Amino acid sequence: DTGVSQDPRHKITKRGQNVTFRCDPISEHNRLYWYRQTLGQGPEFLTYFQNEAQLEKSRLLSDRFSAERPKGSFSTLEIQRTEQGDSAMYLCASSSNSLRELFFGEGSRLTVL
Amino acid sequence: SQQGEEDPQALSIQEGENATMNCSYKTSINNLQWYRQNSGRGLVHLILIRSNEREKHSGRLRVTLDTSKKSSSLLITASRAADTASYFCATDVYGNKLVFGAGTILRVKS
Repeated sequence: DTGVSQDPRHKITKRGQNVTFRCDPISEHNRLYWYRQTLGQGPEFLTYFQNEAQLEKSRLLSDRFSAERPKGSFSTLEIQRTEQGDSAMYLCASSSNSLRELFFGEGSRLTVL
Repeated sequence: SQQGEEDPQALSIQEGENATMNCSYKTSINNLQWYRQNSGRGLVHLILIRSNEREKHSGRLRVTLDTSKKSSSLLITASRAADTASYFCATDVYGNKLVFGAGTILRVKS
């Protein structure tokens, strides 16, 4: 399968715990994006990478959030000291340089109790 | 904040009917894209229309773009129950990311 894969698909955690999501993009894609989606809303941009460089971060991305893409391959999104408001679907997408189309993974659903 | 706003928020039609969804946006764009999302799944790209194009077709999909009104529409002809999903427009403003609207929920009844 050459699509975008995300892990885990579902995560339930208690408030205050740390969580980490992983995204494996399509191998030849240079760009990798993280979006957050809450119920009934469209995806909201969080951050994106061009190869290993993190080029833009949304103001939505508080200091509790950190994303990495070592070696320009897979990416991780970590949320520290989770809050109930962090409950959402975290979507990863990748694209080539031209931004003609984003290829999305199935998402990682986070529930913070 | 979200750049695009879809209208209507929800649409319910009978199988075989056409479905039209509209999207309005605020700033100049490079291109506009439409995506589909089945419940609880990731988004799937449907079609892209460039800022210098006015209309584009792909199978049962027809997209129009009016840059003077900053609006786009997605028409799905001869809808099927399998078209039931949420549909989002997304705008490429600076060539480095897509900004999505809130989406239209389409339900096609068989």
